[in-house]
Formats: sequence, structure tokens, C-alpha cells
Amino acid sequence: GAGVSQSPSNKVTEKGKDVELRCDPISGHTALYWYRQSLGQGLEFLIYFQGNSAPDKSGLPSDRFSAERTGGSVSTLTIQRTQQEDSAVYLCASSPRSGSNNEQFFGPGTRLTVL
Amino acid sequence: DAKTTQPPSMDCAEGRAANLPCNHSTISGNEYVYWYRQIHSQGPQYIIHGLKNNETNEMASLIITEDRKSSTLILPHATLRDTAVYYCIVSSLYGQNFVFGPGTRLSVLP
Repeated sequence: GAGVSQSPSNKVTEKGKDVELRCDPISGHTALYWYRQSLGQGLEFLIYFQGNSAPDKSGLPSDRFSAERTGGSVSTLTIQRTQQEDSAVYLCASSPRSGSNNEQFFGPGTRLTVL
Repeated sequence: DAKTTQPPSMDCAEGRAANLPCNHSTISGNEYVYWYRQIHSQGPQYIIHGLKNNETNEMASLIITEDRKSSTLILPHATLRDTAVYYCIVSSLYGQNFVFGPGTRLSVLP
């Protein structure tokens, strides 16, 4: 079946511009996560959505970052007034959160380059 | 901060078992040990998880010490395609904040 998809796969933007990154989770998965990974680094948690609960935004690095999840499915991560330090791969994952496993299924990521 | 400690890198000969250690001395009673791996330029991939009993699936085995303060991921017959960064993560079953530390970079050598 279809996995987690993300778009675009690559995004190059100029400093100061806004960008939107999209994540389509696996159908039926109630949990959705956003992470970012800088070159050569581990994953950094950004935000988590679970069903209709308020999202856990504790990982967002600044108020320039925001995310929405519409209808419990597709999610959009928005970065306003991008800075060069925002350059990274942004990864989305979804999880069914059922039974005894909350395995996260990751998408291929969006590589963001801020010039 | 990551709740786990892993060696930064390891080498393994192709066809041999790869044993990847992880220390998690502050693990809580309701926290599981999860292993993921990330092959270059791809998103992380789930491998296995366990609470206190040893676990085995088609990819790997997970050995957890009796005191649960450490664990070992075993790839029984490593192949070149197993070259990746392996992450050991401690989290409650429905914990939302998975902390991926730097992991162990495993290089499987021909």
C-alpha cells in the first residue's frame, strides 16, 4: 500500500521567503510527527499531532514555524521568513498508535535549502 | 537530550553478525526500547522494539538485559545493504517525543 508521501522532495528558497511543506500520512494513521535533520545530525522533533487533541508543539524552534493538520489527515509545515539555518531535511512520519506498537512510518523527506 | 548512549560507529564483515549496543540506564518501567535505522538519503525505518523480553523478527533480534539498563540489536548475517545509522530510542508506548540521538553508524565491509 501507499506509504507516507511528502512534497516537494526538494525546495530551494531565498532567505526571508515563506515555505510550505506537505505531508500525506498513511490512511487511517491517527498520529503524525514532523522532524528535521540537519546535515550529518540526528533527527530533531518538531511537532506531533494525535487525533483531535491539541498538537504538541514543544519542538518548534521559533514562532516562524507552524504546522496544521486538516481533517486529521494531510499536514502542512510552514516556515515564515526563512533563514539559512533552516536548511535541513524535513521528515514526516505517521503512526497507527494501536495495539502494542506505535511504529512510525517515515516519508522520504523534503530537502530545504535556504540561500 | 537522548536517553540512550550508543557508540558513534562500528564495522562488521559481510555475512557476520552485527551486534549494536545501547545503554539506557535511566529507562522507566513503562518505557520500551525501539530500534530504527536510516540508510543514506532515506527516512528512518523501524526495525524492532521490546519492553523486557527478548524479541526477534525477520530483520533482527533484540536482547534486553534483565535490569533493562542496556540492550543489543543483533543483525544475524549482515549484508552490505545493512550499512546505515542505527538509532536506539527509549519511549513509552504512546510517547510522542521520540528522541533520536546521533546513533551508531554501522559499516558492513565486503
